[in-house]
Amino acid sequence: QMQLVESGGGVVQPGTSLRLSCAASGFSFRNFAMHWVRQALGKGLEWVAVVSHDEGNKYYADSVKGRFTISRDNSKNTLFLQMNSLRPEDTAVYKCAKGPGVAQGKGYIDYWGRGTLVTVSS
Amino acid sequence: IVLTQSPGTLSLSPGERATLSCRASQSVSGDYLAWYQQKPGQSPRLLIYAASSRATGIPDRFSGSGSGTDFTLTISRLEPEDFAVYYCQQYGSSPWTFGQGTKVEIK
Repeated sequence: QMQLVESGGGVVQPGTSLRLSCAASGFSFRNFAMHWVRQALGKGLEWVAVVSHDEGNKYYADSVKGRFTISRDNSKNTLFLQMNSLRPEDTAVYKCAKGPGVAQGKGYIDYWGRGTLVTVSS
Repeated sequence: IVLTQSPGTLSLSPGERATLSCRASQSVSGDYLAWYQQKPGQSPRLLIYAASSRATGIPDRFSGSGSGTDFTLTISRLEPEDFAVYYCQQYGSSPWTFGQGTKVEIK
């Protein structure tokens, strides 16, 4: 059974850093693109970043470009999101998600984790 | 690409037809547009990809159509489990973007 379990969320002050992890199981992790999508409480979905199966391609939302870094460890079936220079507007539930790829036509998301809450507040 | 969904809320009764709109600020490359359903306390579920292809296990009462800048999700006959929030997403060009969502509520 496919599973994505996020961890690493918490309460942090503006300007600090946090690293999220997502443990994947039940599918061949190394063969698929992985995304981070966030959702502020009671709000809509905001796509954050995607990494291709081999880390050859990474793409970011304009709102996080230069501050967040997506990466993966295929030997440990784990996805990461390094978040630096955090702002109050980054407060959200961060969901790890799986997709077919990053090539043209492959960017949709076919499975989601439950998410981990990040709160940025002084 | 900014995606604008309408209406914000759709109030319908079970058995009725639901028509949800997603309009893009510029043409979506390849018509690479997906639709997701999200119920309270749950993560989204993929319904439609490539504008009109149903995802695995999705009932045929869900259908997607459209091209370019105008896309539609149609639920032919609403079942009780269909009342939820629906999001469109374009993945034709980076950065990928979502619409703000349409809530389908029981009238």
